[in-house]
Amino acid sequence: EPEVTQTPSHQVTQMGQEVILRCVPISNHLYFYWYRQILGQKVEFLVSFYNNEISEKSEIFDDQFSVERPDGSNFTLKIRSTKLEDSAMYFCASSGVRPTLGEQFFGPGTRLTVL
Amino acid sequence: GESVGLHLPTLSVQEGDNSIINCAYSNSASDYFIWYKQESGKGPQFIIDIRSNMDKRQGQRVTVLLNKTVKHLSLQIAATQPGDSAVYFCAERVRGTASKLTFGTGTRLQVTL
Repeated sequence: EPEVTQTPSHQVTQMGQEVILRCVPISNHLYFYWYRQILGQKVEFLVSFYNNEISEKSEIFDDQFSVERPDGSNFTLKIRSTKLEDSAMYFCASSGVRPTLGEQFFGPGTRLTVL
Repeated sequence: GESVGLHLPTLSVQEGDNSIINCAYSNSASDYFIWYKQESGKGPQFIIDIRSNMDKRQGQRVTVLLNKTVKHLSLQIAATQPGDSAVYFCAERVRGTASKLTFGTGTRLQVTL
């Protein structure tokens, strides 16, 4: 069964450093998403991406964040200068049809720890 | 992939019984709702969705009920099995957006033998 994969599973970084979280969505999917979940809190939408551009983003997704689909298979989330409060679980998801007409398949997540 | 916090409400159900998990949403403009299941170490998994023009939708062993009057959503799981043990949370999409989902805090379902 096809699945979304994410690497690394756990990333530890120093405050102020740049991190890139990687995702490989399901191969024939067209819509891609990033979410985050701070420990003990709700899952929060960050950004959606379609046709090589951002479709929607939340207030959390500020200038420190960027997304990219560098090739036909990867989808990345970059945080330019990490802050302590960026520590969270980051989930990538993809869907094959318009966002509200099909389910989003989530990856297992990357746990980001900022020290 | 833990989605659980320290203070998640917990529902304990015996194997074979039916489970009902509730969710209150806040935005009357929300027009699409999804239930997700999250097992330990994994990402959220889609269970079932419902549009605001419906009040009930059934899947395999699951039923979602939507009460727009009181902004309440429920997930019913029939004949609960040990494999159903997980955290369940609802998500809503606000009308006018394509993909922005707002998630609830979640309920932990524990299935006892």
